[in-house]
Amino acid sequence: GDSVTQTEGLVTVTEGLPVMLNCTYQTAYSDVAFFWYVQYLNEAPKLLLRSSTDNKRTEHQGFHATLHKSSSSFHLQKSSVQLSDSALYYCALSDPGGSWQLIFGSGTQLTVMP
Amino acid sequence: GALVYQYPRRTICKSGTSMRMECQAVGFQATSVAWYRQSPQKTFELIALSTVNSAIKYEQNFTQEKFPISHPNLSFSSMTVLNAYLEDRGLYLCGASPGLPYQDTQYFGPGTRLLVL
Repeated sequence: GDSVTQTEGLVTVTEGLPVMLNCTYQTAYSDVAFFWYVQYLNEAPKLLLRSSTDNKRTEHQGFHATLHKSSSSFHLQKSSVQLSDSALYYCALSDPGGSWQLIFGSGTQLTVMP
Repeated sequence: GALVYQYPRRTICKSGTSMRMECQAVGFQATSVAWYRQSPQKTFELIALSTVNSAIKYEQNFTQEKFPISHPNLSFSSMTVLNAYLEDRGLYLCGASPGLPYQDTQYFGPGTRLLVL
């Protein structure tokens, strides 16, 4: 079945520096949608980015991600993090295989230090 | 805009009792509703996927007998946790979508946090 892997459970970055959160996946489908969700403390996840187009950069709120099917990756990046970016980030995919539920990665806690 | 409300936001129930939670979509038609549970360890589990006018599909480890779901129209869904025990605690999230398979965004409600004593 499909799976999403986020290798870093915890990432700590100093304010103003860049960050990359890793996301790789396995799927048997070619037509798949990918998402990054951000979850702030005591809130539900909110959609940050989505993409289904290979090699196309998607941007929102200063974050960007590019789907690379050749490497099965959809890493999330930001060139200069802010304190308010501290949150839990989930990578997820959704495929057309009968049921379209989101398959989440295990999440990466991003902590931005002053 | 598209919004999803969940009621109650937080609830405490005694072990062995049942608890009903509701999900309401505003601003769009929730053709499909997925119920998730986020454990205290922050991992997600899909409980079931409900599509209006179709059978509800439960994931492995979750049953209709334990988590009955109602999805009577395009704006409302409810789920009950029957005979709740400690392992049922967590944040229950409702994700609603206009419904095109995998092409539509899932909008999440704020969740219902269940504590079991």
